[in-house]
Amino acid sequence: EVQLLESGGGLVQPGGSLRLSCAASGFTFTNYAMSWVRQAPGKGLEWVSSIIGSGDTTYYADSVQGRFSISRDNSKDTVFLQMNSLRAEDTAIYYCAKDAHGSGWTRQDYWGRGTEVVVSS
Amino acid sequence: DIQMTQSPSTLSASVGDRVTITCRASQSISTWLAWYQQKPGKAPKLLIYKASSLESGAPSRFSGSGSGTEFTLTISSLQPDDFATYYCQQYSSYSRTFGQGTKLEIK
Repeated sequence: EVQLLESGGGLVQPGGSLRLSCAASGFTFTNYAMSWVRQAPGKGLEWVSSIIGSGDTTYYADSVQGRFSISRDNSKDTVFLQMNSLRAEDTAIYYCAKDAHGSGWTRQDYWGRGTEVVVSS
Repeated sequence: DIQMTQSPSTLSASVGDRVTITCRASQSISTWLAWYQQKPGKAPKLLIYKASSLESGAPSRFSGSGSGTEFTLTISSLQPDDFATYYCQQYSSYSRTFGQGTKLEIK
């Protein structure tokens, strides 16, 4: 059974940093790209970032480019999202999701339960 | 970025109804489109991929169609468990944009 467990969310001041983690199990982690998708309170879904299975290639939404960094540790089946220079508009539930393929861009077929990030003074 | 526009934003229907949700892309995305269902406080769940392929485990009353810029999600006979918010997502480009969502409510 595929399981994705996010952690690292919390309350942070504007301009601060936070590192989200997502521990994966139930599939061969290195064979699949991983993504982060967020949802602001009462709003829709917004794709944030993706990383291919090998970790060699990363993709970012324009809204987070230059502030967020995605990475993975294939020895620990874990994907990370380093979030710097946080803004109030980054407040959201952050979902970790497994892509259906190892590279390129594709759908997300399994999702974690999410971790909440609140950016406020 | 490719913009995705869903209609309607809210849909009221009854159990047993056939309902259709539309998603339009700002440029052609071939059939690189997925549909997700999300219930309050829960993570999204993949229903349809490549515009018309049913995800394993998704009920057969869900179907998708379309190509290019216009797509539809159809639920053939609404069940109580189907009242939720539905999102389309294009994955034709690396920036995988979602539609704004369609909330399906009980009439």
